Amino acid sequence: NFMLTQPHSVSESPGKTVTISCTRSSGSIASNYVQWYQQRPGSSPTTVIYEDNQRPSGVPDRFSGSIDSSSNSASLTISGLKTEDEADYYCQSYDSLNWVFGGGTKLTVL
Amino acid sequence: QVQLVQSGAEVKKPGASVKVSCKASGYTFTSYDINWVRQATGQGLEWMGWMNPNSGNTGYAQKFQGRVTMTRNTSISTAYMELSSLRSEDTAVYYCASGAPFDYWGQGTLVTVSS
Repeated sequence: NFMLTQPHSVSESPGKTVTISCTRSSGSIASNYVQWYQQRPGSSPTTVIYEDNQRPSGVPDRFSGSIDSSSNSASLTISGLKTEDEADYYCQSYDSLNWVFGGGTKLTVL
Repeated sequence: QVQLVQSGAEVKKPGASVKVSCKASGYTFTSYDINWVRQATGQGLEWMGWMNPNSGNTGYAQKFQGRVTMTRNTSISTAYMELSSLRSEDTAVYYCASGAPFDYWGQGTLVTVSS
């Protein structure tokens, strides 16, 4: 099985742009879709990106996703940061009947 | 609207089993797989396995094989996850999730394993 590696934490100021990476350890990042979930303290996760770069309805277009085959990684970019974006973010992908989550990234907006 | 409503918190002794339920509403229960994910306090999300509510077919993460059983009752649109031989490391919030792939999440069920 493969692993998805994320930075433990990132921080940025309101109004700025932040990018969270998610690197796949083996197999191609492009072989299976990547999802991104936001989890605020005490709440269940919610989807902010699905199928690499698709936004569910209700998710602001400040959130975008991409994949980069050269680095075998996916990225979640949040522009125009707001304090409400402060949360944990998890990437997720799939292989051989198994779903895999990244370890999560704590985003601090200060 | 789509809802997944889980059963309440449980406290179990080491070696016991726990069965968590997840009742779906607002969509056709058999349309999407039900996945189970757990999260220990302060830790990340850990996928446990999936179940197809239509066929009853299941697939479990290797870590949980032999200890987890996922079932369903389609007549009441409810999925179940049973975890046996509990140990302290199983203390966590357990979530059910459904959709394509994990659009909808339950509110979580805290399972505490303590002697």
